[in-house]
Amino acid sequence: DIQMTQSPSSLSASVGDRVTITCRASQGISNYLAWYQQKPGKVPKLLIYAASTLQSGVPSRFSGSGSGTDFTLTISSLQPEDVATYYCQKYNSAPFTFGPGTKVDIK
Amino acid sequence: EVQLVESGGGLVQPGGSLRLSCAASGFTVSSNYMSWVRQAPGKGLEWVSVIYSGGSTYYADSVKGRFTISRDNSKNTLYLQMNSLRAEDTAVYYCARSMVRGVISAFDIWGQGTMVTVSS
Repeated sequence: DIQMTQSPSSLSASVGDRVTITCRASQGISNYLAWYQQKPGKVPKLLIYAASTLQSGVPSRFSGSGSGTDFTLTISSLQPEDVATYYCQKYNSAPFTFGPGTKVDIK
Repeated sequence: EVQLVESGGGLVQPGGSLRLSCAASGFTVSSNYMSWVRQAPGKGLEWVSVIYSGGSTYYADSVKGRFTISRDNSKNTLYLQMNSLRAEDTAVYYCARSMVRGVISAFDIWGQGTMVTVSS
């Protein structure tokens, strides 16, 4: 099965900072990659699908890129409401494995 | 409104069984791929199982042979039958919808989750 890794596992940044999270698949998955945001005590929320397509209603400061095995999620200007854990997920075929998550908080 | 509502969680002894339900509204469960995802306390998301529109099913290795995913089209409801439960199955269980009908796609709609605790 394809394994998903994320880095860093956590980060602390200031409001307004540019934040980048990396996700890597152990084998190529084309662009079958999604990013989810989970705030503490809340249900996961889809941010980006097909590696770079912003889900409806998601602020434009979020963006995604990559294809094959290497992907990135970027928050162009970190806001207090972005404090959350972010997960990538491959969905080219079952199992639809999630990455281990990246916890983002405010410095 | 498109939504998913899970039920059926609770406390069960090791080796016991439980059936989770996920009632859908605003769309037809048989039209979309439907998955179960779980999250152990303080841990990350773990995909558990999927049922395709055509009825094919797949499972994570950690639950294969113990869990069964199914749906009742007449009730527009997804199920997860969990047998031979272990302490490590303790988690919040979410049902989730793949966003594009009949095609593998990201999960756009999630239920609120139901807690399963396996303990003696």
